Amino acid sequence: DTEVTQTPKHLVMGMTNKKSLKCEQHMGHRAMYWYKQKAKKPPELMFVYSYEKLSINESVPSRFSPECPNSSLLNLHLHALQPEDSALYLCASSPKRQNTGELFFGEGSRLTVL
Amino acid sequence: SQQGEEDPQALSIQEGENATMNCSYKTSINNLQWYRQNSGRGLVHLILIRSNEREKHSGRLRVTLDTSKKSSSLLITASRAADTASYFCATDGGGGGADGLTFGKGTHLIIQP
Repeated sequence: DTEVTQTPKHLVMGMTNKKSLKCEQHMGHRAMYWYKQKAKKPPELMFVYSYEKLSINESVPSRFSPECPNSSLLNLHLHALQPEDSALYLCASSPKRQNTGELFFGEGSRLTVL
Repeated sequence: SQQGEEDPQALSIQEGENATMNCSYKTSINNLQWYRQNSGRGLVHLILIRSNEREKHSGRLRVTLDTSKKSSSLLITASRAADTASYFCATDGGGGGADGLTFGKGTHLIIQP
């Protein structure tokens, strides 16, 4: 199984809603990542989890709350988002190595905040 | 954080022609990678070149790396309509650990049938 699965594929939410994005991989990778991608822009790193511990938080607003319940799952909890948070949210994983090698990406969750 | 810069930002060529994209970066690296993204989809890894390598081939792909100029190029030979996509270079920042990748701005490639 070489897939990273993200759900939901599409999400529309109001600014007062609480929702979650989910990501799952069964490749035994011990590093998992959240990226945010706006239209016609490159992906921007948000969070890195290494061995289920948050190792990098790229100054992301607290309305985004990541969680790694186990080595296969990664969640991104969303609360009180703004319309400018509308974007494609990409999850990726990689084997835990000395340096970052190939990232395996999911298809993304497209978020629209009304 | 470093940011790769690709050029051109957009490239339109005829099917069968070769496509060349360039990438520049700012800091030291352990490796440089290229990814493809079809519209609105996830990114797919194409090729990785380590900092001590100068050239690498994979099928119709050829990547070069010049660490003295902090630049890389991706050549796609004999292009096909299915190669239409955005292409991003990505660098690892040179540190140890799985710290993620920083992506360049990307080149949008259109292959005209």
